[in-house]
Amino acid sequence: NAGVTQTPKFQVLKTGQSMTLQCAQDMNHEYMSWYRQDPGMGLRLIHYSVGAGITDQGEVPNGYNVSRSTTEDFPLRLLSAAPSQTSVYFCASRVPGGIGGYTFGSGTRLTVV
Amino acid sequence: AQSVTQLDSHVSVSEGTPVLLRCNYSSSYSPSLFWYVQHPNKGLQLLLKYTSAATLVKGINGFEAEFKKSETSFHLTKPSAHMSDAAEYFCVVSLSGSARQLTFGSGTQLTVLP
Repeated sequence: NAGVTQTPKFQVLKTGQSMTLQCAQDMNHEYMSWYRQDPGMGLRLIHYSVGAGITDQGEVPNGYNVSRSTTEDFPLRLLSAAPSQTSVYFCASRVPGGIGGYTFGSGTRLTVV
Repeated sequence: AQSVTQLDSHVSVSEGTPVLLRCNYSSSYSPSLFWYVQHPNKGLQLLLKYTSAATLVKGINGFEAEFKKSETSFHLTKPSAHMSDAAEYFCVVSLSGSARQLTFGSGTQLTVLP
């Protein structure tokens, strides 16, 4: 099993450009989430999904879109990149039920110039 | 609402001495609590979790944590630090079964001195 796979690992964007961060998991997890990590702030939830076709906003959703057409994939779209979106992005997944921990991807380091 | 406070942003210990990373939480419901570790330029790895079973939880690499409801604390300890323990540690709270996922503390950077 590969676990949670994120691509790309690094990306530099110009202000105003759009892009999609990819996240795929092969564990048949229903729950998937996107977080951003900024220094001194821990991880903050951007969007999450409890199953295919179902998504919802987290703590910091502005400027990001998600979709969940399959159980395996949960892409994160930046519509018009801004310097404030420079961050490290993590995708995570888990089974429903609450007793298990989350499995995290290795992250995407995004710089917007 | 739930929240997590990690009381120290940086902790420095000498190799072979005990480690204590402090975490207080607040939750209106019965929470699940986790500690995650992040080594430089890596993803997050689950160290241990508390899910309303035993209050003393043992994790990987010799770490353990004790859930104290009266003190709303979930401190992480290790009897003897190794150089490889140098990393950032996150205390995390989740409402059991909650689709709103995790609330992270701001992290504690652990430095291990030779």
